[in-house]
Amino acid sequence: AQSVTQPDIHITVSEGASLELRCNYSYGATPYLFWYVQSPGQGLQLLLKYFSGDTLVQGIKGFEAEFKRSQSSFNLRKPSVHWSDAAEYFCAVVLMDTGRRALTFGSGTRLQVQP
Amino acid sequence: DVKVTQSSRYLVKRTGEKVFLECVQDMDHENMFWYRQDPGLGLRLIYFSYDVKMKEKGDIPEGYSVSREKKERFSLILESASTNQTSMYLCATRPRSSYNEQFFGPGTRLTVL
Repeated sequence: AQSVTQPDIHITVSEGASLELRCNYSYGATPYLFWYVQSPGQGLQLLLKYFSGDTLVQGIKGFEAEFKRSQSSFNLRKPSVHWSDAAEYFCAVVLMDTGRRALTFGSGTRLQVQP
Repeated sequence: DVKVTQSSRYLVKRTGEKVFLECVQDMDHENMFWYRQDPGLGLRLIYFSYDVKMKEKGDIPEGYSVSREKKERFSLILESASTNQTSMYLCATRPRSSYNEQFFGPGTRLTVL
């Protein structure tokens, strides 16, 4: 079945440490890829997106993500985490070859930041 | 700024009640979506609409219906609410092109007793 997988349900990092959140997809064609963040009590906010071109994309709040076709991955990274980054992070895809216009989401990774 | 508003942040209903969740956007976007969010499951698509009076089922449409009579408004209807429909409901919009991001409302947390 086609799916988006975020293997880490919960991650805890220390403030100032680096972060990598994993995302894998299982589709035949390259989808359009997104990372969203949901802070407590807030709606979802787009961090970054990948459609084509340079496989390393920069987003807001100092986040970046790298698309690796060979691994079907789109991992989110940040070199130095701030306490305000504590939130839930969702990877999502749009499948252009199916005509489906909606996002398909992973199950999310909840990030805790220790002082 | 795109603004997507949902009629209620919190809602408590009883089993068997008919429930309406309203979503309004002010950016003239063609596409509108309803998702439900549950812990460990992420967001799952219930229904979406790509134009007025047009709708398509998502991944979990059972027990829900939708209405889009005007471009800016997309309603989710629970015909007979059940306890397993207790969840966070998120509305989203997007311009016609699939290259664009979706914009989300703040969500409605629905509890069915």
